[in-house]
Amino acid sequence: GAVVSQHPSRVICKSGTSVKIECRSLDFQATTMFWYRQFPKQSLMLMATSNEGSKATYEQGVEKDKFLINHASLTLSTLTVTSAHPEDSSFYICSARDYGDEQFFGPGTRLTVL
Amino acid sequence: GQQLNQSPQSMFIQEGEDVSMNCTSSSIFNTWLWYKQEPGEGPVLLIALYKAGELTSNGRLTAQFGITRKDSFLNISASIPSDVGIYFCAGRRGGQFYFGTGTSLTVIP
Repeated sequence: GAVVSQHPSRVICKSGTSVKIECRSLDFQATTMFWYRQFPKQSLMLMATSNEGSKATYEQGVEKDKFLINHASLTLSTLTVTSAHPEDSSFYICSARDYGDEQFFGPGTRLTVL
Repeated sequence: GQQLNQSPQSMFIQEGEDVSMNCTSSSIFNTWLWYKQEPGEGPVLLIALYKAGELTSNGRLTAQFGITRKDSFLNISASIPSDVGIYFCAGRRGGQFYFGTGTSLTVIP
């Protein structure tokens, strides 16, 4: 149990376009979903925390108008990178928390902006 | 967000050796979690610890929740090549999770 999927796994886009990444909890309801960004050989950097039906809470330094998060249901959260630029290229990972104390991660999305 | 102090940063060991890594914090946590991440993948939960002093095993992995609630360690016994990856600790306090900086493990056959 406790499977989290992410789609797409890889995306390459042109500078200036927007990219949407989906995160789904497949076999449990996620009260909270988290979005992380990870640079090569570095730890996870929390971008934002989203609760179903409410606005996401963004970490300091993360532009909420740049990284739009929608947590439409207890099993789906989306991250949209708007007007992407090469510096937005990174590995984006979502995670989901159920009613317990554990956090389960998706497989990640590799974004490359040309 | 806040990160935990995790050490060592990297390890290069011979196959068959035991491995030990730890996480420390100046704050107490209610839950400690240990994850493994392989290249191009998301972290996978290895062990979850819920009570101070708790010692939990998962195959060759053993982790402990420090009695002060400010630290945790992970041991891997008799390492094998597929243990290669980056290991992260995470502490939960309230609704927030805080991650360690990671330990990169390389196992030499």
